[in-house]
Amino acid sequence: AQKVTQAQTEISVVEKEDVTLDCVYETRDTTYYLFWYKQPPSGELVFLIRRNSFDEQNEISGRYSWNFQKSTSSFNFTITASQVVDSAVYFCALSEAGNQFYFGTGTSLTVIP
Amino acid sequence: DSGVTQTPKHLITATGQRVTLRCSPRSGDLSVYWYQQSLDQGLQFLIQYYNGEERAKGNILERFSAQQFPDLHSELNLSSLELGDSALYFCASSSSGWNSYNEQFFGPGTRLTVL
Repeated sequence: AQKVTQAQTEISVVEKEDVTLDCVYETRDTTYYLFWYKQPPSGELVFLIRRNSFDEQNEISGRYSWNFQKSTSSFNFTITASQVVDSAVYFCALSEAGNQFYFGTGTSLTVIP
Repeated sequence: DSGVTQTPKHLITATGQRVTLRCSPRSGDLSVYWYQQSLDQGLQFLIQYYNGEERAKGNILERFSAQQFPDLHSELNLSSLELGDSALYFCASSSSGWNSYNEQFFGPGTRLTVL
């Protein structure tokens, strides 16, 4: 079974639209961390956010926001007023106490000008 | 720039050969991780080293091995290469201690092509 599921393989939006990338995770640990990474066309993975399992507060950083809900094991990522530079593959990841990192399969976002 | 360096950027080799990929972590980071990214398998965790010791193992083949040296740089050795080993290999480093709770910073990757 997948530890991290990103059901949306590809999404296309028109510039300035809002878009939400879904992430569902599975773990039995009470302490764990969730992450989002961005992989632009250049290929390098860029860290966006880390959230621990005890902090369910939503976070906003500029046009980016994250919604963590333990009840549904989800950690969704919303980009507001999308821009062409947001085009990338976005990965959600889970780190458990067992020390392994599990990445989702990624969501490829294309923002059309 | 994440501060993690990887060499070489590109590598083209033939089936059956052996290659070594090198990674230098960010200054001060003790943990190094290796990942393989291919089109069909996505981003797969291979192995983690913490301060010279193997800490966690993922989907690493027996033909692959890694080590972390006293200066904290790491090498990933791939032997008896097969066509299916063609992929982008990432190294990441983290300030995590024994547990991998801190964010990882990724290098630019080494693109391996096996012909």
